[in-house]
Amino acid sequence: KQEVTQIPAALSVPEGENLVLNCSFTDSAIYNLQWFRQDPGKGLTSLLLIQSSQREQTSGRLNASLDKSSGRSTLYIAASQPGDSATYLCAVHPYNNNDMRFGAGTRLTVKP
Amino acid sequence: DTAVSQTPKYLVTQMGNDKSIKCEQNLGHDTMYWYKQDSKKFLKIMFSYNNKELIINETVPNRFSPKSPDKAHLNLHINSLELGDSAVYFCASSRLGEGEQFFGPGTRLTVL
Repeated sequence: KQEVTQIPAALSVPEGENLVLNCSFTDSAIYNLQWFRQDPGKGLTSLLLIQSSQREQTSGRLNASLDKSSGRSTLYIAASQPGDSATYLCAVHPYNNNDMRFGAGTRLTVKP
Repeated sequence: DTAVSQTPKYLVTQMGNDKSIKCEQNLGHDTMYWYKQDSKKFLKIMFSYNNKELIINETVPNRFSPKSPDKAHLNLHINSLELGDSAVYFCASSRLGEGEQFFGPGTRLTVL
């Protein structure tokens, strides 16, 4: 059964720092991996989707990497801003079914 | 131009009542989902529907039943509500095979 783990559970950094969020999964038979952002009391916003055949995706200051063989993904945020403060969720889409599995999230605080 | 919408945003009700949450997507997606986010903020899939067929049914009580009148709608009916049903329920949609999921804003259900 696919399990998704995110480390750290919480992270606090000063504004301007570059940071890395980690996601690991136990079964490498995945269709894709998706990173989301969730603000308090709000829904999920899709940030990046990496297909199993890809190694990374970039969007603005965000870069997500995928190493399927080792069951790891990272989300790199460059030049962090207070507006980046949110919970970041990693979700794995197993191959051949729609049972998307989520990690517990990393709660990021960027201090001005 | 909302992509995935849910109503109501908040729902407060008494134990034992029957309630429904509505979801609509205007993205032309083939598959829709319901997720439950508990008090610990952990997201877990409940159902997914593809072209009116149930694809996944996680171990949820049969008091919960998804109903899809058409491809753009997936409503969640809950009978005989219990205290433990209190949570935030999210609707999502995706194109089958592509996998990227887009989420609604959530419905916060409180059972008293």
